[in-house]
Amino acid sequence: KNQVEQSPQSLIILEGKNCTLQCNYTVSPFSNLRWYKQDTGRGPVSLTIMTFSENTKSNGRYTATLDADTKQSSLHITASQLSDSASYICVVSANKLSFGAGTTVTVRA
Amino acid sequence: DGGITQSPKYLFRKEGQNVTLSCEQNLNHDAMYWYRQDPGQGLRLIYYSQIVNDFQKGDIAEGYSVSREKKESFPLTVTSAQKNPTAFYLCASSIDVSGIYNEQFFGPGTRLTVL
Repeated sequence: KNQVEQSPQSLIILEGKNCTLQCNYTVSPFSNLRWYKQDTGRGPVSLTIMTFSENTKSNGRYTATLDADTKQSSLHITASQLSDSASYICVVSANKLSFGAGTTVTVRA
Repeated sequence: DGGITQSPKYLFRKEGQNVTLSCEQNLNHDAMYWYRQDPGQGLRLIYYSQIVNDFQKGDIAEGYSVSREKKESFPLTVTSAQKNPTAFYLCASSIDVSGIYNEQFFGPGTRLTVL
């Protein structure tokens, strides 16, 4: 069973709308959690990184939250743009890195 | 222009052939990694290297081989023993393998297709 579960698997939103992606993990001991954005056919690019003591981190229109007690993280995209269409991957660092399968976001005009 | 590069972008292999994927970085990172990405799955670690002339097997190393003769380079060979090699291959590097310095920077990827 994957130790990092992401939901939903995919979603479609209209341009200008907001959306929230979820990441639940079971890995321990927890070191940090990252969200990556991966455009189709490209390598992932880091959006945010949070350590145990941080519960929110923003990068422009992307805001990540972390609840280390419940082992949950979310990525909120505000005022979505067509360029936000991509796969978003949650990566949890413990003794090694564990990757979620990703959420594919499609933004339509 | 710092970064991590992979070549080729697309690669086609015939059954029974070995092929080598290139990965180069000029970030002065000690650690380098190879991942395989299949649809609907998370990235899976093939091999990683913490330092020159040393590398370790990841979760799915069977049918693959690597070398780390230079800090900047970490080529991956997909051998004929790999039964299902069609996938998107990602190379990454980081300052170190542990702690906050294990943030990985990824290359653009190589898509390998077996004909």
